[in-house]
Amino acid sequence: DGGITQSPKYLFRKEGQNVTLSCEQNLNHDAMYWYRQDPGQGLRLIYYSQIVNDFQKGDIAEGYSVSREKKESFPLTVTSAQKNPTAFYLCASSWSGRAEDTQYFGPGTRLTVL
Amino acid sequence: DAKTTQPTSMDCAEGRAANLPCNHSTISGNEYVYWYRQIHSQGPQYIIHGLKNNETNEMASLIITEDRKSSTLILPHATLRDTAVYYCIVRLVVSGTYKYIFGTGTRLKVLA
Repeated sequence: DGGITQSPKYLFRKEGQNVTLSCEQNLNHDAMYWYRQDPGQGLRLIYYSQIVNDFQKGDIAEGYSVSREKKESFPLTVTSAQKNPTAFYLCASSWSGRAEDTQYFGPGTRLTVL
Repeated sequence: DAKTTQPTSMDCAEGRAANLPCNHSTISGNEYVYWYRQIHSQGPQYIIHGLKNNETNEMASLIITEDRKSSTLILPHATLRDTAVYYCIVRLVVSGTYKYIFGTGTRLKVLA
């Protein structure tokens, strides 16, 4: 069963702690993305990766870090430097470099910082 | 960057067609229009996309005006499960990769 998985669905952390969100895909997609969504808002791009061992900052990368050591995995770390980390985090993947590059999204992780 | 404008909310009677408009007046010639929907607290679900021609799949139809400045997503027979936020998105090529520019979408409520 192909798709994108994110875990956990809900995550609670104390202020000042780093936390890592998991994203795995078995679609053999080259590109992966992380978005943040705040209540009543659209999605904003945090980081993206077109290929293993390479990634670029999106529009709101400050306070976040990523790695792409494997094609199927793109974990996101929310660091203590992120001022407002409580949000809904969405991971997506797509074929890279193709003319029609549809992104497919995972179910999301809701992070609450107490 | 090309942006999209959508109505904040719409209602539709169950069984009727839902027509969701989107304006993208600054779209460039090689930019695709994508539609996704998001049910509360879930990841966005891909619906359909197009460049110039009208498109249809098992979920919906996409009508793009000839000047490409606007489009309409049509759900032919809306059901209660179609209640969701619908996003009209223009896909841009930035530094060699494809970026989606998300707005706040249209909240569609299908009424019994």
